[in-house]
Amino acid sequence: QVQLQESGPGLVRPSQTLSLTCTVSGGSVSSSNYYWSWIRQPAGKGLEWIGRIYFSGSTDYNPSLKGRVTISLDTSKNQFSLKLSSVTAADTAVYFCASGYSGYNSFDYWGQGVLVTVSS
Amino acid sequence: DIQMTQSPSSLSASIGDRVSITCRASQRISRYLHWYQQRPGKAPKLLIYATSGLQSGVPSRFIGSGSGTDFTLTISSLQPEDFATYYCQQSHNTPPWTFGQGTKVEIK
Repeated sequence: QVQLQESGPGLVRPSQTLSLTCTVSGGSVSSSNYYWSWIRQPAGKGLEWIGRIYFSGSTDYNPSLKGRVTISLDTSKNQFSLKLSSVTAADTAVYFCASGYSGYNSFDYWGQGVLVTVSS
Repeated sequence: DIQMTQSPSSLSASIGDRVSITCRASQRISRYLHWYQQRPGKAPKLLIYATSGLQSGVPSRFIGSGSGTDFTLTISSLQPEDFATYYCQQSHNTPPWTFGQGTKVEIK
């Protein structure tokens, strides 16, 4: 059973870079069976897929985030990370890391989520 | 991007009721339509994958169906623990993957 845990600062200043890490247990980020994704949810709103990374390091991002996103892997620590640059208050949300079987691209496993607030 | 529209946005129902939630895609999609349940303050939980596949450990009262642009999640007999918000998500062809806006199921 794959387990995911997000970590990172809960407060980020406007125009700065949001950085989060997801630690994976019970599975390997080097596995070809899964994609590793980031998803966010503003308070009281729906879910937005941010992007994903595969074991090979290949990535896909949501064009709505206009090139501000970078997702990377650290196979030595069994982690993957999110960087979102030039943040504004609109980026305030609960950020989830998630993973799913690469065959279906569903999200079978989720972290508990971490609230990131963008404020000065 | 493929837009996903759920209906209704919210509904009230009683224990034991049969409940259906619809998800409509802005274009024809493959069978890669998935359903999630989210309780307040918790991460979403995968219920149904690929239109009708029941995720391991999920009760059989959750039933997924549909094709083309129209998909349905049915709860055959609503239980107290089913009061939550439900989301559909498509993974047709290539990203970006998109979610419906959610359907909140409340107690009548």
